[in-house]
Amino acid sequence: GQNIDQPTEMTATEGAIVQINCTYQTSGFNGLFWYQQHAGEAPTFLSYNVLDGLEEKGRFSSFLSRSKGYSYLLLKELQMKDSASYLCVARGGGFKTIFGAGTRLFVKA
Amino acid sequence: EAGVAQSPRYKIIEKRQSVAFWCNPISGHATLYWYQQILGQGPKLLIQFQNNGVVDDSQLPKDRFSAERLKGVDSTLKIQPAKLEDSAVYLCASESSGALGSPLHFGNGTRLTVT
Repeated sequence: GQNIDQPTEMTATEGAIVQINCTYQTSGFNGLFWYQQHAGEAPTFLSYNVLDGLEEKGRFSSFLSRSKGYSYLLLKELQMKDSASYLCVARGGGFKTIFGAGTRLFVKA
Repeated sequence: EAGVAQSPRYKIIEKRQSVAFWCNPISGHATLYWYQQILGQGPKLLIQFQNNGVVDDSQLPKDRFSAERLKGVDSTLKIQPAKLEDSAVYLCASESSGALGSPLHFGNGTRLTVT
């Protein structure tokens, strides 16, 4: 079947680093997205990985291991505004897009 | 570039009533999606259109939900009759297609409350 697992909630301190893990199972694979969703708002695109390795974009980095069906999103120098849900999204065969339930990140002062 | 437009922003109806949502995707985006997001959960795909054809509607409760995308641009999603469990945010998203990593662009959603 097709499935995405990610932690339900995480808490971290302002200025710290946090890593949000995601494991996925898909029929076919066409890449892994991360989206950010603030409460009451629409998801917004953060990153896309289709090859193994780390993609860095400012304070955010995303890693993919296709052989392990594993990805993580790394957030550095956490700010209060980073408090949001982070959605791990896999694109499977036929470009079918599968969303995880999201990880709610709480950043505390 | 104008984003994905959705209306209404909020809707409150009683169970067994009907409701319709409207979506205008980003100009030129061939693929359009409707998602249902229940509080605390990730978005669940209801239907995917490619131009004006349906690509995937396997999770659409067809006894009460319908959607159309006439002329391959705007789309409407209808619920008739509504149930309490339909209370959710309905998100419309569009995608330009073609590129492997083309992301989904979401509208602000319609928050539906069924009482």
